[in-house]
Amino acid sequence: AQKVTQTQTSISVMEKTTVTMDCVYETQDSSYFLFWYKQTASGEIVFLIRQDSYKKENATVGHYSLNFQKPKSSIGLIITATQIEDSAVYFCAMRETNSGTYQRFGTGTKLQVVP
Amino acid sequence: GPKVLQIPSHQIIDMGQMVTLNCDPVSNHLYFYWYKQILGQQMEFLVNFYNGKVMEKSKLFKDQFSVERPDGSYFTLKIQPTALEDSAVYFCASSRTGAETLYFGSGTRLTVL
Repeated sequence: AQKVTQTQTSISVMEKTTVTMDCVYETQDSSYFLFWYKQTASGEIVFLIRQDSYKKENATVGHYSLNFQKPKSSIGLIITATQIEDSAVYFCAMRETNSGTYQRFGTGTKLQVVP
Repeated sequence: GPKVLQIPSHQIIDMGQMVTLNCDPVSNHLYFYWYKQILGQQMEFLVNFYNGKVMEKSKLFKDQFSVERPDGSYFTLKIQPTALEDSAVYFCASSRTGAETLYFGSGTRLTVL
């Protein structure tokens, strides 16, 4: 069963606007870690931001922030003031504390930022 | 930031041949992973490795696959023999602990003819 789901296949936004990418997950663990990664057109995969399940405050790094809604098993990625170079595929991932030893990835959301 | 190096970046081989993909993880990292990606789609977990042993492997990690890291050298993924469905981009990743951020290499694009 799919444990990390990204329903948005592709999004196109205007430069300098704000975009939210959705991710929902399934787990029986009470403790887990959530990550967002970005894969550029060259194939490079870089870490963006993470949320630990026990933390109530939403994580923020630069112009990336998270909308963590634990009761809904949802971890949305928000990018403010988007730039052309934010165009990429964004992956959500989950690492369960007890039930798994690796990060499970979603199917990715392709973001296109247009001028 | 920390870098994971993968060699080669591209590999083309005939079906049935053996191939070894090499990964040089971040120096102080202890956990190593291989993921498979087809056509820029989902990152599929293959296997992870810690303290000289496989921790967990997925259904994609067929009997023809093996991993090792002899004496702190390259972390390798060997496929013997290869099949057409093994064509994909293989990403190596490492992390300092099992719960931390993954650092990815730039991938090896494997084409099996």
